[in-house]
Amino acid sequence: KAGVTQTPRYLIKTRGQQVTLSCSPISGHRSVSWYQQTPGQGLQFLFEYFSETQRNKGNFPGRFSGRQFSNSRSEMNVSTLELGDSALYLCASSLSKDRGETQYFGPGTRLLVL
Amino acid sequence: SQQGEEDPQALSIQEGENATMNCSYKTSINNLQWYRQNSGRGLVHLILIRSNEREKHSGRLRVTLDTSKKSSSLLITASRAADTASYFCYNTDKLIFGTGTRLQVFP
Repeated sequence: KAGVTQTPRYLIKTRGQQVTLSCSPISGHRSVSWYQQTPGQGLQFLFEYFSETQRNKGNFPGRFSGRQFSNSRSEMNVSTLELGDSALYLCASSLSKDRGETQYFGPGTRLLVL
Repeated sequence: SQQGEEDPQALSIQEGENATMNCSYKTSINNLQWYRQNSGRGLVHLILIRSNEREKHSGRLRVTLDTSKKSSSLLITASRAADTASYFCYNTDKLIFGTGTRLQVFP
């Protein structure tokens, strides 16, 4: 079974631009979560989707948005990029919305904002 | 930002030694997971412990959970060089990761 895939793997943008990151979960997984990882703030929860519905949203400004499609694939968008948005963005999928369910992480998208 | 505290921040040991890392939260813990991350890549799930469990084993891993102290520990026995990685605890109900422990195992 193929793992979680994230595209693109690397991205360089400039301040003020917007970016869209994509995540394809493991086949059959209906829950997708997004995380931001930075050296200063560590791993921070961004969003969680289950069956196209956002279940939870982390403490991030409205510039961060996401969605999930009917095939469980998910995208997240960051508008008006700031230097501080430079980070590794990780996507994870799981079978259900059970909080004890194992999450399977993708390799991440490394975003650099100049 | 809200994070669980992990200690130590970094740990260096020789192969064959045991490694212990601790995690504590200010919030309650219902489900706690431990993950490993190699060199800034994706996380790999290691083990889950629920609030009705005090201890759990998986291979060379032993995890304990003290819900009254809101803390957990991960013990890796007989460490190998391949265990070199960062380890994170994750309070899945509160959606809060720990700060991580960087483990270096020297051959």
